[in-house]
Amino acid sequence: ILNVEQSPQSLHVQEGDSTNFTCSFPSSNFYALHWYRWETAKSPEALFVMTLNGDEKKKGRISATLNTKEGYSYLYIKGSQPEDSATYLCACHYGGSQGNLIFGKGTKLSVKP
Amino acid sequence: NAGVTQTPKFQVLKTGQSMTLQCAQDMNHNSMYWYRQDPGMGLRLIYYSASEGTTDKGEVPNGYNVSRLNKREFSLRLESAAPSQTSVYFCASSKDRVNTGELFFGEGSRLTVL
Repeated sequence: ILNVEQSPQSLHVQEGDSTNFTCSFPSSNFYALHWYRWETAKSPEALFVMTLNGDEKKKGRISATLNTKEGYSYLYIKGSQPEDSATYLCACHYGGSQGNLIFGKGTKLSVKP
Repeated sequence: NAGVTQTPKFQVLKTGQSMTLQCAQDMNHNSMYWYRQDPGMGLRLIYYSASEGTTDKGEVPNGYNVSRLNKREFSLRLESAAPSQTSVYFCASSKDRVNTGELFFGEGSRLTVL
């Protein structure tokens, strides 16, 4: 069974702090990695889809990197704001699994003003 | 811009009852998905439809059936609900397969089976 691990499970930071969290995944037969942002009482929204080793993507203060050879991705948030408080989900797609994205359990970020 | 709309948002059932969760997307996406979210677990795929007219099992299909009624609509049916099916259900769609495109999610349907 493929397992996507996210760490830490939760994180509390002060406004203005920069932070990062990790997604670890089996690298064999890897096709793509997704990052989603999930605010309480809303639906998950996509941040990035990454496929190539060494990929780096950026959206405003949020960026992500991908290492497919060693099986990890980092999500960085620069200068955290209270509105960044959310659960960040990582999900991976593997060859042979067709439509199935394997989701991690998420990292819950709380940013205190 | 509605995106992905799912109904109902809340439902309480008794064991053995049946119900259908409805999902519709207005983005002309080819692929649609049903996930369930349980405490302490990641989203798990129940069924998906890569294109109109096709459906495939995901990780946890037992106890569910699906219908891809047309390109817009993908329904999830519980024929005989069980307490283990108490969960939050999310419908999602993507333009193409998930190796290239992101998922767009509905707001979720909270189902309680007593």
